[in-house]
Amino acid sequence: QKEVEQNSGPLSVPEGAIASLNCTYSDRGSQSFFWYRQYSGKSPELIMSIYSNGDKEDGRFTAQLNKASQYVSLLIRDSQPSDSATYLCAVNRNQGGKLIFGQGTELSVKP
Amino acid sequence: DVKVTQSSRYLVKRTGEKVFLECVQDMDHENMFWYRQDPGLGLRLIYFSYDVKMKEKGDIPEGYSVSREKKERFSLILESASTNQTSMYLCASLRGAATNEKLFFGSGTQLSVL
Repeated sequence: QKEVEQNSGPLSVPEGAIASLNCTYSDRGSQSFFWYRQYSGKSPELIMSIYSNGDKEDGRFTAQLNKASQYVSLLIRDSQPSDSATYLCAVNRNQGGKLIFGQGTELSVKP
Repeated sequence: DVKVTQSSRYLVKRTGEKVFLECVQDMDHENMFWYRQDPGLGLRLIYFSYDVKMKEKGDIPEGYSVSREKKERFSLILESASTNQTSMYLCASLRGAATNEKLFFGSGTQLSVL
């Protein structure tokens, strides 16, 4: 089992819809959880971080964390074509900043 | 904002060559990392460093070594390049070891080994 798993996609949603991206992790000691967005040919950029159970909202983005189920998700409301990218889930296992990444989910938002 | 600079955007090398990938950050960050990214595999950690002259193996260190002689510079070395090391290499830096610190990435080096 991979430490951090994501559906590789591609996930295709129409413009204006809600995109739901999911991630599971295996280490119950994981402390912090991050979502990075990566456009084709570019490096990843941080869009959300979450540390405690529940929801965290930032604009059109909502991160959800359920530590009991070892599950973290990212919701993108009112999806736009500019949201088309690969979304990487990353987990910090409290080992000095060492992040473990999932394989990424490719999102395509169709106009 | 933090700037992480990788010396080359594209690099083509031959099998058996010694390859140096350089990374420099300008914000006095303690921690630096080298990842490689391959389609369908995400980012995989090769090596990381918490301080000058300190290094630790990541998940896939075989075939690689690193050097951190100065705080701002972290070099990845392929001692004898092989075709299976063709990949996108990403350098990243982190201010401290707290679990909520943000990782800053360089723009990446696409290495092709022929």
